[in-house]
Amino acid sequence: DIQMTQSPSSLSASVGDRVTITCQASQDIYNYLNWYQQKPGKAPKLLIYDASTVEAGVPSRFRGSGSGTDFTLTISNLQPEDFATYYCQQYDNLVSFGGGTRVEIK
Amino acid sequence: QLQLQESGPGLVKPSETLSLTCSVSGYSISSGYYWGWIRQPPGKRLEWIGRIYYGRSAHYNPSLKSRVSISIDTSTNALSLTLSSVTAADTAVYYCVRLKGVIVAYEYWGQGTLVTVSS
Repeated sequence: DIQMTQSPSSLSASVGDRVTITCQASQDIYNYLNWYQQKPGKAPKLLIYDASTVEAGVPSRFRGSGSGTDFTLTISNLQPEDFATYYCQQYDNLVSFGGGTRVEIK
Repeated sequence: QLQLQESGPGLVKPSETLSLTCSVSGYSISSGYYWGWIRQPPGKRLEWIGRIYYGRSAHYNPSLKSRVSISIDTSTNALSLTLSSVTAADTAVYYCVRLKGVIVAYEYWGQGTLVTVSS
């Protein structure tokens, strides 16, 4: 099984900040990595697929990068609606998700 | 606009079988795409259950494979999930999803339904 480790597990930030979330895979997953945003009581929303392709309708302040085992989700100019939990997901071998990163208001 | 709506019992007894239905509107399931189920235990990470493409065999999470079945009913344009011999560990919000073409990314989600396993 491929283990996905996200860090940090939570962070506090202010509106306008730049936020970086990392996701590490236990083995090479090439670029088979997606990112989701989940708000309390809601279903996750796809933000980024194939490590760096922004889903249609997702603001350009969201950017994904990385390949192999190390990946990053960057949110520039953090907006009030961005406070949520973010998950990474690999699909190189079956499917598994990271533990999530909760972005809270400072 | 594609919409997915899960339905089923919110409470299931231990050792019994969990059965959920996902009603799909705005698209015919038999026309294409992979469809599947994902669950999220309270306060925990998301877990892939399985996926299916109309006319093909389903793929399941090996950790659940002996207990799970996913099928498509074209007469009702719905996706179903059955999970047998449930325990408290199967308590979760269950989501119905549609994948993004050949990419295993979950593009469309239902609102989710909480299933609690308890006597």
